[in-house]
Amino acid sequence: SQELEQSPQSLIVQEGKNLTINCTSSKTLYGLYWYKQKYGEGLIFLMMLQKGGEEKSHEKITAKLDEKKQQSSLHITASQPSHAGIYLCGAPGSSNTGKLIFGQGTTLQVKP
Amino acid sequence: DTAVSQTPKYLVTQMGNDKSIKCEQNLGHDTMYWYKQDSKKFLKIMFSYNNKELIINETVPNRFSPKSPDKAHLNLHINSLELGDSAVYFCASSPTWPLGEKLFFGSGTQLSVL
Repeated sequence: SQELEQSPQSLIVQEGKNLTINCTSSKTLYGLYWYKQKYGEGLIFLMMLQKGGEEKSHEKITAKLDEKKQQSSLHITASQPSHAGIYLCGAPGSSNTGKLIFGQGTTLQVKP
Repeated sequence: DTAVSQTPKYLVTQMGNDKSIKCEQNLGHDTMYWYKQDSKKFLKIMFSYNNKELIINETVPNRFSPKSPDKAHLNLHINSLELGDSAVYFCASSPTWPLGEKLFFGSGTQLSVL
């Protein structure tokens, strides 16, 4: 079965610093989703990447998909306290499935 | 209006009890899901329904029984609750099956079994 591994598992950064979270799959990626979870809340959709080499940005968050490496990265530029939370990557279990398999999450703290 | 709503938000109960969590989506989506997030924040799919039909049934104890009275609702009933059932349960929906777009998640139900 497919597994997603995120690194690092937790991260503490000073406000204004850049950071990167990685998500590596044990099998071929047929798309990659990034979600953010705040404490006590549900998952908020950030971005969906579907093609190798694809890169998307939203405000100060950029995500890339490297299909050959079966990996995606999430980069936050000039981090702010509002970026704090748990970041989860998710991928379809196979090429034609309705279920998302998630990584174990990366907990981000941003110190003012 | 909340797109995917779950009730209750918190549920504290004794071992051996039976409890239900309700979920409703007002997005007109065809597919709904139940996910379980354990204490290590690992999120794992449990069930999925498409137009009231069960399409995903992961390795879950048969004490867990989902029910979809219509495509806007997916409830989760748990019999004979055990300590290990303590977790956050998330309901989600998506427009279509198979998944081609994002999942919309509810805010979660934190279940504590004492």
